[in-house]
Amino acid sequence: QLQLQESGPGLVKPSETLSLTCTVSGGSISSSSYYWGWIRQPPGKGLEWIGSIYYSGSTYYNPSLKSRVTISVDTSKNQFSLKLSSVTAADTAVYYCARPLLPPHHDAFDIWGQGTMVTVSS
Amino acid sequence: SSELTQDPAVSVALGQTVRITCQGDSLRSYYASWYQQKPGQAPVLVIYGKNNRPSGIPDRFSGSSSGNTASLTITGAQAEDEADYYCNSRDSSGNHHVVFGGGTKLTVL
Repeated sequence: QLQLQESGPGLVKPSETLSLTCTVSGGSISSSSYYWGWIRQPPGKGLEWIGSIYYSGSTYYNPSLKSRVTISVDTSKNQFSLKLSSVTAADTAVYYCARPLLPPHHDAFDIWGQGTMVTVSS
Repeated sequence: SSELTQDPAVSVALGQTVRITCQGDSLRSYYASWYQQKPGQAPVLVIYGKNNRPSGIPDRFSGSSSGNTASLTITGAQAEDEADYYCNSRDSSGNHHVVFGGGTKLTVL
């Protein structure tokens, strides 16, 4: 059974870069035609799609975050990663990694990590 | 980019039927997916596509769509259905972007 697990610092200083990794277990990140995504949820608020990466390496980012976001894949470690630069308090959120169903349902996220809380504060 | 709009809160009496709606231009072209989220937990996909339920999702959950509005219907709501519900879909520009609705808090009375 495929499982996802986020990891990374829980506290990041303003203006610095938030870096998170999602480790995939129970399956290969490079198998089949899957996308892999990052989604966040500020405390008490709704879900926001950050971006997705296709198994081939193509990336797609939320236009509102595009200038600050980088998503990459490390197939040797069966991981994919998120980097968000120049963070502010508005980036404080629970960050989830998730895998959607195969296309054409690649916006339907059926497997989620447990989420990791990241606080931006000095 | 596009937006999906949901009512902030909806309530339903135990055992009755409730419909949660999601409106947006992208829904004229793409189906919505629906997620249930309970406090402190990751979202769970309950409906995707035209009206598909992942394995393990009770058949009291169903989805439908008309024009720019998608709906999630719970027929015979149970106490355990009390949760936040989110819709999402592909962006109307068709460039693999994803958009989420603001969420609906469902209270089962």
